[in-house]
Amino acid sequence: DTGVSQDPRHKITKRGQNVTFRCDPISEHNRLYWYRQTLGQGPEFLTYFQNEAQLEKSRLLSDRFSAERPKGSFSTLEIQRTEQGDSAMYLCASSFTPGLAGANTGELFFGEGSRLTVL
Amino acid sequence: QKEVEQNSGPLSVPEGAIASLNCTYSDRVSQSFFWYRQYSGKSPELIMSIYSNGDKEDGRFTAQLNKASQYVSLLIRDSQPSDSATYLCAVKGGTPLVFGKGTRLSVIA
Repeated sequence: DTGVSQDPRHKITKRGQNVTFRCDPISEHNRLYWYRQTLGQGPEFLTYFQNEAQLEKSRLLSDRFSAERPKGSFSTLEIQRTEQGDSAMYLCASSFTPGLAGANTGELFFGEGSRLTVL
Repeated sequence: QKEVEQNSGPLSVPEGAIASLNCTYSDRVSQSFFWYRQYSGKSPELIMSIYSNGDKEDGRFTAQLNKASQYVSLLIRDSQPSDSATYLCAVKGGTPLVFGKGTRLSVIA
């Protein structure tokens, strides 16, 4: 396993279209995170999963955004009715936490990202 | 709202000098602190973590933490042109990890 992989790496779409990104985490990692990053900003948290359970979503996350991790392995992030403001790099990261309430050091390992451009 | 503040830079240092990057955070219950390096067009890469007050050294990198002052810093000794990147400070008090905007470092040969 070489790390977190994301697909597609680049996506150009027209406003109003739906897009879906996929993330495959490091195989032994049980936590998976989605972040969004725009130019000149740090990564902004969107949501995260422990195994297949979605444990937290950002209050900033529009209802047009939905994420799944159906079997506790890969995850998808779908954006419906895209807007130009959705243009950003969508980063997936994974980590290992021993147990649902176990301590997590916070060390995240990021994929290369999926860059979305909405025209 | 948990905040992590960094000077956006750019910070320019000559090759071989010490680069000093600073970060302050607002959440007093924060427990874990990280520095990520991000090259242009690439994803963040973890370079240092620190969990207790004081200094932690790893090669040319030293992380410093002062929880009373809510301050984290990263020193890069013998800076190289390959160190030119954006350095992101990240803080964890619960979940999720909260990032600053990053400081852009330029090492001039």
